[in-house]
Amino acid sequence: SQKIEQNSEALNIQEGKTATLTCNYTNYSPAYLQWYRQDPGRGPVFLLLIRENEKEKRKERLKVTFDTTLKQSLFHITASQPADSATYLCALPDSSYKLIFGSGTRLLVRP
Amino acid sequence: ETGVTQTPRHLVMGMTNKKSLKCEQHLGHNAMYWYKQSAKKPLELMFVYSLEERVENNSVPSRFSPECPNSSHLFLHLHTLQPEDSALYLCASSQDRSSYYNEQFFGPGTRLTVL
Repeated sequence: SQKIEQNSEALNIQEGKTATLTCNYTNYSPAYLQWYRQDPGRGPVFLLLIRENEKEKRKERLKVTFDTTLKQSLFHITASQPADSATYLCALPDSSYKLIFGSGTRLLVRP
Repeated sequence: ETGVTQTPRHLVMGMTNKKSLKCEQHLGHNAMYWYKQSAKKPLELMFVYSLEERVENNSVPSRFSPECPNSSHLFLHLHTLQPEDSALYLCASSQDRSSYYNEQFFGPGTRLTVL
């Protein structure tokens, strides 16, 4: 079955720098991959979706890449701000199109 | 109200109690989901409803009983829970279950503590 791996260690960066988070999957390449943001005690919020035939997707300060050869997606936040501090979840469909989620990576942006 | 709402936001119950979690979506979606999120673990899909029909039951213990009376409302009935059931329970909805890109909209969750 498909497994998702996200770095369990928190990423701690200085305000203004670019944050880069990694999502690796183990089996077949999914038709798409999604990224969500989750704040403590709240539900995840959808951020971006990237399809298997897209190399890169951008939305304001966010950029997602999808490399089916490496079985990896990278999530970038440029010009990071303390308000970007949250846990970021990667999600992709399994064989029956249910979404499965990674454990998430916590991002801390220091002022 | 807009989006997906859940009540109550916090719930403390004993192992012999019976309680229910409620979810309502105001997005006109046809699919609704229950997820469990425990500390340091990924979201675990519990149940999926599509057009009020349960289409997925991910080996969830029978002490959790879902109900979907219409496409806007979803309940999770709880009885004789165990302390390990303490977690954040999240409701989500999407346009439909089989939509190709299946973006999900989540509610704020119910923080459940079982004593």
